[in-house]
Amino acid sequence: QKEVEQDPGPLSVPEGAIVSLNCTYSNSAFQYFMWYRQYSRKGPELLMYTYSSGNKEDGRFTAQVDKSSKYISLFIRDSQPSDSATYLCAMTSNAGGTSYGKLTFGQGTILTVHP
Amino acid sequence: DAGVTQSPTHLIKTRGQQVTLRCSPKSGHDTVSWYQQALGQGPQFIFQYYEEEERQRGNFPDRFSGHQFPNYSSELNVNALLLGDSALYLCASSSTLRTGGNSPLHFGNGTRLTVT
Repeated sequence: QKEVEQDPGPLSVPEGAIVSLNCTYSNSAFQYFMWYRQYSRKGPELLMYTYSSGNKEDGRFTAQVDKSSKYISLFIRDSQPSDSATYLCAMTSNAGGTSYGKLTFGQGTILTVHP
Repeated sequence: DAGVTQSPTHLIKTRGQQVTLRCSPKSGHDTVSWYQQALGQGPQFIFQYYEEEERQRGNFPDRFSGHQFPNYSSELNVNALLLGDSALYLCASSSTLRTGGNSPLHFGNGTRLTVT
């Protein structure tokens, strides 16, 4: 069983829709949670990062972490065609020292927003 | 402000050969991590360099080795290439000294390695 599970999709939605992306994990030591966006032929770009449980909002994006259920989500409101990309969840156990570099990623969800 | 730069962008090698990939971190960053991303998969952690030493290593064989230079740039070397080594190799940088490790990773656009 993988430490981080993410539905690969693909997910196709109309412009303006609310998108929900999710990951589950098995390692209870994970404390820092991130969402990256990766366009085709590009490297991952950090969208959101949160510590422990709770919600964080940034513009059209909201990240939620439920450590009791080992479940994290990313919501995209008013989705745009420019949001079409692969979305990767990532997590790590301890951000102290250099350990922030060792991220465990999900498989990625391919999202297409059509006009 | 230049971000993370990687070279080359594409590379084709033959099974059994050796390859070296290069990375320059984002300005102000002192830590470099390398990831392997197979097609349709998320990136997998290979190793991390800080202060010119390997600090952490993922589940990769010794064929994968690296180096960090005094200017914080880094190289990833892969010996005895296998067909399964074909992937996108991503370099990510972060700041450890300035932030105590609480620094999100910034990724380059990767080197796409094809082994035939």
